[in-house]
Amino acid sequence: SAVISQKPSRDICQRGTSLTIQCQVDSQVTMMFWYRQQPGQSLTLIATANQGSEATYESGFVIDKFPISRPNLTFSTLTVSNMSPEDSSIYLCSVEGPGPTRYFGPGTRLLVL
Amino acid sequence: AQKVTQAQTEISVVEKEDVTLDCVYETRDTTYYLFWYKQPPSGELVFLIRRNSFDEQNEISGRYSWNFQKSTSSFNFTITASQVVDSAVYFCARKAAGNKLTFGGGTRVLVKP
Repeated sequence: SAVISQKPSRDICQRGTSLTIQCQVDSQVTMMFWYRQQPGQSLTLIATANQGSEATYESGFVIDKFPISRPNLTFSTLTVSNMSPEDSSIYLCSVEGPGPTRYFGPGTRLLVL
Repeated sequence: AQKVTQAQTEISVVEKEDVTLDCVYETRDTTYYLFWYKQPPSGELVFLIRRNSFDEQNEISGRYSWNFQKSTSSFNFTITASQVVDSAVYFCARKAAGNKLTFGGGTRVLVKP
């Protein structure tokens, strides 16, 4: 399976600021996925990022709040913009394969004060 | 939406007891995949097993075993002779046509020494 790394691993941010989370994969992948896990909750898909095209967002998530970049086949960023305490979550990057299994990065723990 | 339900929110056992986690899913698809993931306190999501809808053969891997029953739409997971290191949140997930990976709500397992 692919090795996925994320930066930062955790951060504490002030309300109204933005944070960009980086996801690096050790092999080329077509699709990368970004998930949010609010405290004590399950995982929710934010968006799917394909290289060379706009990300596809799930219902309830918008590009202005969660802009995503996908400059190449091994890297993606997720920005959490104009943060509020409700954005405090674990954000996880994910890739698929080999096969239909989805693998996850170590996550970024975000606390917004 | 086709749901994945993990009815048990938390299970507490004493070390060496067996633990069975229930998972029931909804699907209108004939081809789909089922997964179990483990999320230890560190937060990363670790893939444990994948089953496709055409493979109802149950599997044992060390202290882990899985029971897939298509007739009841269930994919249960058992930890035999539990250990403290098994303490984690366990997620069941389903993936069908397209890329949507749907997670259950998770079951927190606490293994006491």
